[in-house]
Amino acid sequence: DIQMTQSPASLSASLGETVTIECRASEDIYSNLAWYQQKPGNSPQLLIYDANSLADGVPSRFSGSGSGTQYSLKINSLQSEDVASYFCQQYNNYPNTFGAGTKLELK
Amino acid sequence: EVQLQESGPGLVKPSQSLSLTCSVTGYSITSNYWGWIRKFPGNKMEWMGYISYSGSTSYNPSLKSRISITRDTSKNQFFLQLNSVTTEDTATYYCARYGYGGPNWFAYWGQGTLVTVSS
Repeated sequence: DIQMTQSPASLSASLGETVTIECRASEDIYSNLAWYQQKPGNSPQLLIYDANSLADGVPSRFSGSGSGTQYSLKINSLQSEDVASYFCQQYNNYPNTFGAGTKLELK
Repeated sequence: EVQLQESGPGLVKPSQSLSLTCSVTGYSITSNYWGWIRKFPGNKMEWMGYISYSGSTSYNPSLKSRISITRDTSKNQFFLQLNSVTTEDTATYYCARYGYGGPNWFAYWGQGTLVTVSS
C-alpha cells in the first residue's frame, strides 16, 4: 500500500495568515491526490482533486500543488470558517489511502 | 443535488455482521462509482471498497474476505456488509460518490454513521 505521510498533525494560525499542509507519498502518485476538509460533526468536503484542481464552490483562497511524491494544500488569508481538519487521499493505486489528517485551529 | 444517507444499526456484537445501507437521491447509482470509507477513533481513514455503475466491485485487500458491497438499483441504494466484526471495526462509516470519470476522488459524502462493535 502507498503510505501517505501528512504534516503537521496540528497547526495553530491567526486570521489572515497563510497556512500550508503537506502530504508525502511513499511512491510517485502522478498527481492523483485529493484534499478534503472536515469540520466537527460534518462529513468531509472535497477541496482539491488532481493535486491542483479546485472543486466546485470552494473558495479560491484554497490551492493545491505538487507532483511526484510531494504535495501541499495552501490556505491564503485564513478565515474563521477554515477551522477544521484536513486530509489527503491518493487514488493512483489500490487500495486508495489517506493521510492521517491535520487539525487547524485559530491562534 | 446529490445526497447520500447511511443507515443501519449503531451497535453490533463481535463475530456478527455489520450491514449498512446508503440511500442516494439526486443521482442514479447506475452512473459513476460509489464507495464506502470508514474513519476510526483516532481519525485514521480507510478506503473499504466501491461498486461501479455496472455493479462491478473492488475491495480493500485487508478486508477482502469479509466485505461485500451490493446494490438495489430499483431503490437507488447500495449496501455494505462486513462479516465477523471485532472491536477493531468500530468506526464512523461513510458512503460516497466518486468524481466524474471515477473511481478517483470522493465528490459527495454521506453524513456518516457511527458503528460500535461491542458485546
